[in-house]
Amino acid sequence: IAGITQAPTSQILAAGRRMTLRCTQDMRHNAMYWYRQDLGLGLRLIHYSNTAGTTGKGEVPDGYSVSRANTDDFPLTLASAVPSQTSVYFCASSDSGMTEAFFGQGTRLTVV
Amino acid sequence: KQEVTQIPAALSVPEGENLVLNCSFTDSAIYNLQWFRQDPGKGLTSLLLIQSSQREQTSGRLNASLDKSSGRSTLYIAASQPGDSATYLCAVRLISGGYNKLIFGAGTRLAVHP
Repeated sequence: IAGITQAPTSQILAAGRRMTLRCTQDMRHNAMYWYRQDLGLGLRLIHYSNTAGTTGKGEVPDGYSVSRANTDDFPLTLASAVPSQTSVYFCASSDSGMTEAFFGQGTRLTVV
Repeated sequence: KQEVTQIPAALSVPEGENLVLNCSFTDSAIYNLQWFRQDPGKGLTSLLLIQSSQREQTSGRLNASLDKSSGRSTLYIAASQPGDSATYLCAVRLISGGYNKLIFGAGTRLAVHP
C-alpha cells in the first residue's frame, strides 16, 4: 500500500441498506478526513479525526458515522442509505491539521 | 463564512501557452493554501502547499503565489502541455468550530489542445 487506499472503488446500493466505505493510509498521518464531492457543490467535509481515538463532525455529517480505532483506518458508515447520499466520497489524511493533505482515489456511490 | 472562488471556471488554451489560474478567499485568517489537480473520475493530487507566512512555492513548471492580505492566490503554469488538462482546485485551511478544515473552490477546468 502506498498512500491512501479506498474501497470499494464504486458501489450501487439499495436505499435503506447499510454500507461502510473503507479508508486506509500507510503514512502514519494523525489527521484523517472524509469528503463528498457533488457537481455544483464541490467538496464538503463530512467527518474528521485529528488523532486515533477521536472524531468530529464536519459540514454535512447527518446520516454518516465514523470511527478511528487506530492510526491507519478511518471507515465511513452509512447506517441507512438514501438517494441524496449518491456522491463521490474521498478520504484524505495529513500529518497534522496544518500540513499537506493527501487524498485517496475516491469511492463512487450510487443509492437507488 | 469563508468562501473560496476560482476564476475562470473553464479555460481552453493551445499547447505552449503560459497561463494563470486565480483563487480568491473571503477570510484572510488562513493557515495555508493548497493547490490540487483532479483528473476526470480520479482523486485529488496535491500540487503545491503555501503556508500563510510564505509568498510563493514552485514545483517544476508550476508556481503558486499567495497574497493573504488581499485574499488571493494564483497558480501559474508555464509552457502548458496537453497532459496538463485537468481540473485545478484550490483549498484554504482554517480553524472553524473547533476543528481545522479545508475549504475548496469549485475548480478551474483546463483543456490544453495540441
